[in-house]
Amino acid sequence: DTAVSQTPKYLVTQMGNDKSIKCEQNLGHDTMYWYKQDSKKFLKIMFSYNNKELIINETVPNRFSPKSPDKAHLNLHINSLELGDSAVYFCASMSGLAGYEQYFGPGTRLTVT
Amino acid sequence: QKEVEQDPGPLSVPEGAIVSLNCTYSNSAFQYFMWYRQYSRKGPELLMYTYSSGNKEDGRFTAQVDKSSKYISLFIRDSQPSDSATYLCAAASGGYNKLIFGAGTRLAVHP
Repeated sequence: DTAVSQTPKYLVTQMGNDKSIKCEQNLGHDTMYWYKQDSKKFLKIMFSYNNKELIINETVPNRFSPKSPDKAHLNLHINSLELGDSAVYFCASMSGLAGYEQYFGPGTRLTVT
Repeated sequence: QKEVEQDPGPLSVPEGAIVSLNCTYSNSAFQYFMWYRQYSRKGPELLMYTYSSGNKEDGRFTAQVDKSSKYISLFIRDSQPSDSATYLCAAASGGYNKLIFGAGTRLAVHP
């Protein structure tokens, strides 16, 4: 039974397109995150939501827009995709705000051509 | 300068060796220190955490934090081929638990 799931697993698209990645967790957690991992494996936080409220918003181009319809879901929409957006995007979740164990999804490998 | 620095390796060791993985950090406000393990094409999973300075042991793994020198270490005893993965150190200062990750060290344990 998958704890944190992401769709799609792979996404290949052309520059200028708009795409969305979806994340769902069935752990009952109320904090969710989006991370970007580049080709050198460097994992960097992008956004975090707690109970559908945006609590972390790093310096990310405004082409990236997260949306949390409820506590169990966090989606990421990317407009006008650029070559530099190619990376693996990970969703993660955590219980509450005071902890350290974040549960990561399997990742979405985005390739922009 | 990145807030958490980690040598990306790769590190290749024979089975049974003791492995030492290290990170340094620059932000004195960091209080929580974690090691995540990431297998190829998978998401990271928490391996160990420590709060402030000190040691923590879990089976073959020992995590060590020295806040005076801003140094984080992970030791793996009797390393196994199944330990082959990328190891990411992370630190947080509390408050929404924004984790700052190092670049990850790729470890290969060969039989």
